[in-house]
Amino acid sequence: TQLLEQSPQFLSIQEGENLTVYCNSSSVFSSLQWYRQEPGEGPVLLVTVVTGGEVKKLKRLTFQFGDARKDSSLHITAAQPGDTGLYLCAGDPKSGGSNYKLTFGKGTLLTVNP
Amino acid sequence: NAGVTQTPKFQVLKTGQSMTLQCAQDMNHNSMYWYRQDPGMGLRLIYYSASEGTTDKGEVPNGYNVSRLNKREFSLRLESAAPSQTSVYFCASSDLRRTDTQYFGPGTRLTVL
Repeated sequence: TQLLEQSPQFLSIQEGENLTVYCNSSSVFSSLQWYRQEPGEGPVLLVTVVTGGEVKKLKRLTFQFGDARKDSSLHITAAQPGDTGLYLCAGDPKSGGSNYKLTFGKGTLLTVNP
Repeated sequence: NAGVTQTPKFQVLKTGQSMTLQCAQDMNHNSMYWYRQDPGMGLRLIYYSASEGTTDKGEVPNGYNVSRLNKREFSLRLESAAPSQTSVYFCASSDLRRTDTQYFGPGTRLTVL
């Protein structure tokens, strides 16, 4: 079983601060996804990264896939209360995007205080 | 488009009762999934259906059955509910060519007393 370890598990910051959350594994993944989940809702896909070293930006969010495709990070600049939520990473261990069994991390619960 | 819809949103059962959780998607996706989410455990795959007419076990299938009714609908049945099945259940769907990109429904909160 390939595991994805997310850190930190909990993060509470003030509005305007920057933060980084990590998703690490000892296994190689063909792609990696980041989701955000708000209380009482289902996870919403933010981004998929597929190439080692890839960097994707989504407004104030920057996602990076490690060169060896074993890890990823999510950096948020100038966090806002609307960024509050559970951030999940998920990985596809097989090439071609045709594996049905994604591996999910346990999540980072982010709270941004006004 | 509604995306992925789930019913009911909340349910309370007594031990031994049965129920079916319904899921439908309007994105013309081939693949559908059922997950459960428990505190500290993350999302765990219960069953999935790669395409209409096929279903396969995931990580935690015991105590559950599924039916892929048609391309749009994928139901999850608890035949004899147990307190250990208290959880939040999510249905998801994906295109057959990109099963790593999954779209989730809003969830069903199930409590088994």
